[in-house]
Order: sequence, then C-alpha cells, then structure tokens
Amino acid sequence: DVKVTQSSRYLVKRTGEKVFLECVQDMDHENMFWYRQDPGLGLRLIYFSYDVKMKEKGDIPEGYSVSREKKERFSLILESASTNQTSMYLCASSSSDFTGELFFGEGSRLTVL
Amino acid sequence: RKEVEQDPGPFNVPEGATVAFNCTYSNSASQSFFWYRQDCRKEPKLLMSVYSSGNEDGRFTAQLNRASQYISLLIRDSKLSDSATYLCVVGRDAGNMLTFGGGTRLMVKP
Repeated sequence: DVKVTQSSRYLVKRTGEKVFLECVQDMDHENMFWYRQDPGLGLRLIYFSYDVKMKEKGDIPEGYSVSREKKERFSLILESASTNQTSMYLCASSSSDFTGELFFGEGSRLTVL
Repeated sequence: RKEVEQDPGPFNVPEGATVAFNCTYSNSASQSFFWYRQDCRKEPKLLMSVYSSGNEDGRFTAQLNRASQYISLLIRDSKLSDSATYLCVVGRDAGNMLTFGGGTRLMVKP
C-alpha cells in the first residue's frame, strides 16, 4: 500500500520557536509538495520539489523554507513560528507522469501559542 | 476573487437522494480538472478526473463546462458513506501544480 508519512500528527509550539515537519514517501515519486489547509481557504501550496535538492516556491512561501536532501524525504521548516502559522500541514507526492493524483499524508496539526 | 470557488455547504440530504455540487474556476487556461474527497480529519484523496466530454464512475458523474468555466459533480442514490467534503481541483498551466477549492461539505442522513 502506497504511503506518505508525516512525522508528527499534532504539535504545539511557542512563538519564535523553530519547527521541523518531516515527510517521507515510499513510492519513489519525483514530486513532493507542502500545503497548508485552513477553514474556508482550502489547501494552499507552500513549496514544492521536482527533484532532490530542488525546490520551488508555491503560493504562500513567506515564513517557510524546505529541504529535500533525499528523494523520499521533504521537510518543511518554520524558522520562527508565528501564531498565524497555526494550521493543518499536508505533505503530498506524485509521480513525474502526473495524472492528477496527489498522494497525501495524514497531516500535521500545528498550534503556535 | 478566488481561483477556484465552491459553495461550502453543508448540503444535508437523505439517503437515496441525488445531489449536485458546482465549482467555478477563474483561469481560462486551465487544462485539467478533478474532484477530490476528504473525510473528516483525514487526508484528501482523488475521487475522479473530469473530462471535457463528461465522465461517470458508478453513482458519480462529473461534467465540465469550459465556456462557463464551471465543473459539476453529481452523486446519485446517496449513501451514508458519501458524507465527506468534496474538493474541486483545477490544474494550472503545466506540470503538477493544482489549485484546490475550499470544499463542499456533504452530510447524508438516514
């Protein structure tokens, strides 16, 4: 069974803390994505990567960075967490011959106090 | 204006009913269209692609109207298990980039 695994389901952090969200996929997919999901706003793309060590900004990259050192792993970093980054974060992957199917992890719910 | 707009609902329908959702998109250059389903506290999953000629998958029918820039999803003979949020998704100009609507919540009651 294909799988995208996010390291933490629930996190509570304080303003100013550095936060790492890890994502691992076992499908040998080239493409990986980080979204955040907020009520009424839907899923918004933060960053994506088409290959190892490659990254591209999505629609809302401010306050975030990413790292892709290995094909299967894509990390989202919040250098200095703020309360407006409280959200559900979803990692996804897809193959290079994209047919419209993104495979999502279960999500990481981050609360910044 | 949002790129992909959906009525958030909720749509409350009895079992066996037929229900339809619409979605509008703003980018006329969009080439690919999908419906995803998201159960409560779960991740989104692809339900079906939407083709220009319309397509059907069991009780689900998807339609695309390029001229009016809207997509529809029709669910016939609703089941309790159809209760979920349905996300309208539009592909951007190229590559693997998708834009998600805010979702329409469906609740099917016994």
